[in-house]
Amino acid sequence: NAGVTQTPKFQVLKTGQSMTLQCAQDMNHNSMYWYRQDPGMGLRLIYYSASEGTTDKGEVPNGYNVSRLNKREFSLRLESAAPSQTSVYFCASGVREFPHEQYFGPGTRLTVT
Amino acid sequence: KNQVEQSPQSLIILEGKNCTLQCNYTVSPFSNLRWYKQDTGRGPVSLTIMTFSENTKSNGRYTATLDADTKQSSLHITASQLSDSASYICVVSIFTTSGTYKYIFGTGTRLKVLA
Repeated sequence: NAGVTQTPKFQVLKTGQSMTLQCAQDMNHNSMYWYRQDPGMGLRLIYYSASEGTTDKGEVPNGYNVSRLNKREFSLRLESAAPSQTSVYFCASGVREFPHEQYFGPGTRLTVT
Repeated sequence: KNQVEQSPQSLIILEGKNCTLQCNYTVSPFSNLRWYKQDTGRGPVSLTIMTFSENTKSNGRYTATLDADTKQSSLHITASQLSDSASYICVVSIFTTSGTYKYIFGTGTRLKVLA
């Protein structure tokens, strides 16, 4: 039982390049989330998926797209990376039922030069 | 505006000592409050979760308290260990009109425990 896994762990991109961050969970959770964490700021929600086949924008969706490929996998795509997207990205999964626990992956550290 | 503020920003204590971290929130409607521990280079891991009707919740050496009237929570760490060195994040969740939960994260308190 691996929980929530993310790939890659580290990535360096040049401005304008594109890439996809992968996330998978093996806990049979309906809900999945993408957050970014920047120094001095709390985690901010980029996109979430309440169930397979649905996605919704979070607090900071600009410059990102997501795909809920199936119940297990939720990917985050940067179409044209910008330096402002340098951050640590966390994927999480969770259940709708109380206590609505969220389980986080190990994170992807992305640098855009 | 929904906000979660934590204090202090950082804290250094000696191994074996106790400490208390604070969380104040202006979130409505409140659903529950949780404390996470985030080790350097790792994702957050849940320590405790409390609803508005709970005043205190313990998890080993970690004890969280909640005062829903004053919208304050604290996390008390007893007999600190080197492994307690981490960031501690307070998160308040609200139930939205669209039937989903929204999570408001604090910026965290960075704790360092010295031998």
